[in-house]
Amino acid sequence: AQSVTQLDSQVPVFEEAPVELRCNYSSSVSVYLFWYVQYPNQGLQLLLKYLSGSTLVKGINGFEAEFNKSQTSFHLRKPSVHISDTAEYFCAVSDFNDYKLSFGAGTTVTVRA
Amino acid sequence: NAGVTQTPKFRVLKTGQSMTLLCAQDMNHEYMYWYRQDPGMGLRLIHYSVGEGTTAKGEVPDGYNVSRLKKQNFLLGLESAAPSQTSVYFCASSASGYEQYFGPGTRLTVT
Repeated sequence: AQSVTQLDSQVPVFEEAPVELRCNYSSSVSVYLFWYVQYPNQGLQLLLKYLSGSTLVKGINGFEAEFNKSQTSFHLRKPSVHISDTAEYFCAVSDFNDYKLSFGAGTTVTVRA
Repeated sequence: NAGVTQTPKFRVLKTGQSMTLLCAQDMNHEYMYWYRQDPGMGLRLIHYSVGEGTTAKGEVPDGYNVSRLKKQNFLLGLESAAPSQTSVYFCASSASGYEQYFGPGTRLTVT
């Protein structure tokens, strides 16, 4: 079974500054990896996914993430954040052929002017 | 194309009452899921379905039942609600079992 650890529960950041959200996972098999975003009082929306191929994955709204198999990490980055990026971000993992996701506890990003 | 819809959006129950949450998807997805979201705990899987007529237990199934009589609908039932079931409930669907599409959520309070 897999588990996901998001290393920061809260990340305050100023507008136009870069941000990195850290995610580590544990699994005994190969995995698929995801980042979801949840804006206040809404459901979750897929930001990006790693299924195979290039370890650098680009998603919506200027976000990207890098899969590092040796460090079992999938950190999310954005070079310049906007006020509208204020949200909760969830890292999720699924084992091959498992058809289920395991989510981290979430990281709340608050962007200030 | 509405995607994933959930009914109701809000509900307040008294301890011991029962209710059913309805999830509907119009994307012809095989896989459907029910999660609960609690502060600081992320999303935890309650039950899921890999196709019409199938259901399976997730991480936190106790106190809940589900049914998937039609491919587009996935129902979550609480037979005897408890305060510990106060939460936000999300339904999701997927074509592949991996990339999941979420509904807007149901906020349930049990007093």
